[in-house]
Amino acid sequence: GNSVTQMEGPVTLSEEAFLTINCTYTATGYPSLFWYVQYPGEGLQLLLKATKADDKGSNKGFEATYRKETTSFHLEKGSVQVSDSAVYFCALDRDDKIIFGKGTRLHILP
Amino acid sequence: DTGVSQDPRHKITKRGQNVTFRCDPISEHNRLYWYRQTLGQGPEFLTYFQNEAQLEKSRLLSDRFSAERPKGSFSTLEIQRTEQGDSAMYLCASRPPGADTEAFFGQGTRLTVV
Repeated sequence: GNSVTQMEGPVTLSEEAFLTINCTYTATGYPSLFWYVQYPGEGLQLLLKATKADDKGSNKGFEATYRKETTSFHLEKGSVQVSDSAVYFCALDRDDKIIFGKGTRLHILP
Repeated sequence: DTGVSQDPRHKITKRGQNVTFRCDPISEHNRLYWYRQTLGQGPEFLTYFQNEAQLEKSRLLSDRFSAERPKGSFSTLEIQRTEQGDSAMYLCASRPPGADTEAFFGQGTRLTVV
């Protein structure tokens, strides 16, 4: 079946460090891929998306590239800020059904 | 546009009781989803509607769970004969028409079964 696997957390980094959160997926066909973020005390919200192979989604300095050959959609940011502390969820959309990974908690230290 | 609204935000119930949650999606959003999230886990898909039609139901959803969206607007999720294992955050999301559109999530209903 369709599934998403992302790196276990928590991930702790210092401010201005480079961030990578790994995400791989298993799916039939060609799903759309998303990263959602949940800030403390808030609901899930879309961070970025990519709908086909080699697409790059980007928002708020975060980027992720849809890699069909490696079935991956890793999240990256060049210089993290304390305000990026949150839980990040990788997700896929296949046949209108959105499947989420378990989430990766990110702590950024000032 | 006030976003996706869920009611109640918190519910404490005794084991064996029935509970019902309500979700009001963003208007004009034809798709509505229910998810369950436990601590340290991602949202688990439960069911979804396109307008009033329930198109898919997860195998996670036992016979004690039922969801409706009678007029294609708000939705209810009912859990009968609650068990301690039902304790979780229940999330609702809605999406506008079109492919690959963003799902907008509510704040969730936190259920505690004692």
